Amino acid sequence: EAGVAQSPRYKIIEKRQSVAFWCNPISGHATLYWYQQILGQGPKLLIQFQNNGVVDDSQLPKDRFSAERLKGVDSTLKIQPAKLEDSAVYLCASSPIPGQEQFFGPGTRLTVL
Amino acid sequence: KNEVEQSPQNLTAQEGEFITINCSYSVGISALHWLQQHPGGGIVSLFMLSSGKKKHGRLIATINIQEKHSSLHITASHPRDSAVYICAVHPLDSNYQLIWGAGTKLIIKP
Repeated sequence: EAGVAQSPRYKIIEKRQSVAFWCNPISGHATLYWYQQILGQGPKLLIQFQNNGVVDDSQLPKDRFSAERLKGVDSTLKIQPAKLEDSAVYLCASSPIPGQEQFFGPGTRLTVL
Repeated sequence: KNEVEQSPQNLTAQEGEFITINCSYSVGISALHWLQQHPGGGIVSLFMLSSGKKKHGRLIATINIQEKHSSLHITASHPRDSAVYICAVHPLDSNYQLIWGAGTKLIIKP
């Protein structure tokens, strides 16, 4: 069974630039999560999708972050414009249904200069 | 005060030692996860448990719901066990979100 795929693995941009991350969850997993993990801290949930609908985006900085999962499968997370404090690892995870074990992708390490 | 507290924050041990990492939480939960994160790597789920004890290879996880406490044990530790171990809980009032601990950084020296 293929795991959660993410790309790119690493990205370096300058502040005020835009960046997009892609995630392909495990086939059949209805629930998809995007997390932000700042160095030395635990992951923070940014947004949770159930199929193509948003379940929770209360911690997503909506002035600069956006995410979509149009067909209920893969998802993109965008930051526009990026700030220095956005430097972090962005993790995507999926689960068959909410509350079940989450499977994580390798993450995208973003550095904003 | 964080809702999920882990101890110790950092742990260095010699190869072969028995390792214990603790997790205490202050909310009612439906389940608790133990996860592993290697440097620069993604997160791997080790256990999801809501009662009792689970074992997988050299890893053992226990939970005491009444005491709101869980432990992760590693027997015969090996340098490849070096990683950050994270405890996360599903609170009862929300089956969707995880509340994460800050993690325990484990280093096993050969």
